[in-house]
Amino acid sequence: DGGITQSPKYLFRKEGQNVTLSCEQNLNHDAMYWYRQDPGQGLRLIYYSQIVNDFQKGDIAEGYSVSREKKESFPLTVTSAQKNPTAFYLCASSVGHTIQETQYFGPGTRLLVL
Amino acid sequence: RKEVEQDPGPFNVPEGATVAFNCTYSNSASQSFFWYRQDCRKEPKLLMSVYSSGNEDGRFTAQLNRASQYISLLIRDSKLSDSATYLCAVRTNTGGFKTIFGAGTRLFVKA
Repeated sequence: DGGITQSPKYLFRKEGQNVTLSCEQNLNHDAMYWYRQDPGQGLRLIYYSQIVNDFQKGDIAEGYSVSREKKESFPLTVTSAQKNPTAFYLCASSVGHTIQETQYFGPGTRLLVL
Repeated sequence: RKEVEQDPGPFNVPEGATVAFNCTYSNSASQSFFWYRQDCRKEPKLLMSVYSSGNEDGRFTAQLNRASQYISLLIRDSKLSDSATYLCAVRTNTGGFKTIFGAGTRLFVKA
């Protein structure tokens, strides 16, 4: 059963703590993305990766880091430098990275600060 | 001005009604357009892609107006299950491909 999985579903972060959100896909997609969604706002791009071992900053990369060591996996670390991390984090993937690419989303991780 | 704008609603309609949403975009170089449906506290799910003038899938019709830079989504014979937030997305080549999402339009279909 192909798809995108994200874990955990809910994550709690303490002050000064780094946390890592998992994103895995078995769709054989080359491109993967991380978005953040806040109430009343559109999805904002944090990082994206077009291919293994390569990734690019999106519009709001500060306070976040990623890695792309395997095609299937694109984990996102929310560092202590991100001062307002409470949000709904969505991972997406697409076959490639062209003008007509359709992005498909995982179920999301809701991050809350204690 | 936001790059992609949607009326946040909510739109409250009775079952069986026809409802339409618009989404305006500011970059005339935009080439691909998408409508997603997002249920409360869930991920967006692709409803329809729009590459040329329009697309139709059952009760759903999307239209693209490049001259006025907007896309529309028409839902006919609304069902209770259509209640959701509808996000439009616009893909643009601005020195790199980028997808920009609107904040969404909320729809409530009442019995």
